[in-house]
Amino acid sequence: GAGVSQSPSNKVTEKGKDVELRCDPISGHTALYWYRQSLGQGLEFLIYFQGNSAPDKSGLPSDRFSAERTGGSVSTLTIQRTQQEDSAVYLCASSRPLAGSTSTDTQYFGPGTRLTVL
Amino acid sequence: TQLLEQSPQFLSIQEGENLTVYCNSSSVFSSLQWYRQEPGEGPVLLVTVVTGGEVKKLKRLTFQFGDARKDSSLHITAAQPGDTGLYLCAGVIFYKYIFGTGTRLKVLA
Repeated sequence: GAGVSQSPSNKVTEKGKDVELRCDPISGHTALYWYRQSLGQGLEFLIYFQGNSAPDKSGLPSDRFSAERTGGSVSTLTIQRTQQEDSAVYLCASSRPLAGSTSTDTQYFGPGTRLTVL
Repeated sequence: TQLLEQSPQFLSIQEGENLTVYCNSSSVFSSLQWYRQEPGEGPVLLVTVVTGGEVKKLKRLTFQFGDARKDSSLHITAAQPGDTGLYLCAGVIFYKYIFGTGTRLKVLA
């Protein structure tokens, strides 16, 4: 079946502009994560959505960053007034937590959006 | 702040050599995962270890979870060029995944 898709794959923008990054998770996956990855580094947690629960936004680096998830499916990460330090690959992952299960979920990642702020 | 340190950061070896990558933290995790990431793609899960002291083998890859569930290692036997990539460990606490700093491996033919 289809995996996690993200768009655009690449985005070049000028400092100060707003950008929107989109994530289409795997159908039926209730959990959705956004991460940021600087060049060749580990992943930095940004935000977590699970079903209809309030999202965990504790990883968002500033109030210029926001995310929403409509209808429990597609998610959009918005960065307002972009800065050069926002340049990174933004990764989305989805999983299907099993109710009552103690096992760790498998996250399925999209290919990412490479954001370059000039 | 929970941190996962990986070592080494970079590793370049010849085909056929063995290697070990380490993942260390001061935090206790309910489980730990290892991922491999190739350029232009998202990370792909290799394994999940759950029990302290657990050892899992995946062909030439051996994963170990420390007894205290704070650290882990990945050992590759007889590395091949296809093993080249960025290896990431991730400690799990509830629904949060704390990713390590990454180890970039290059295996030369």
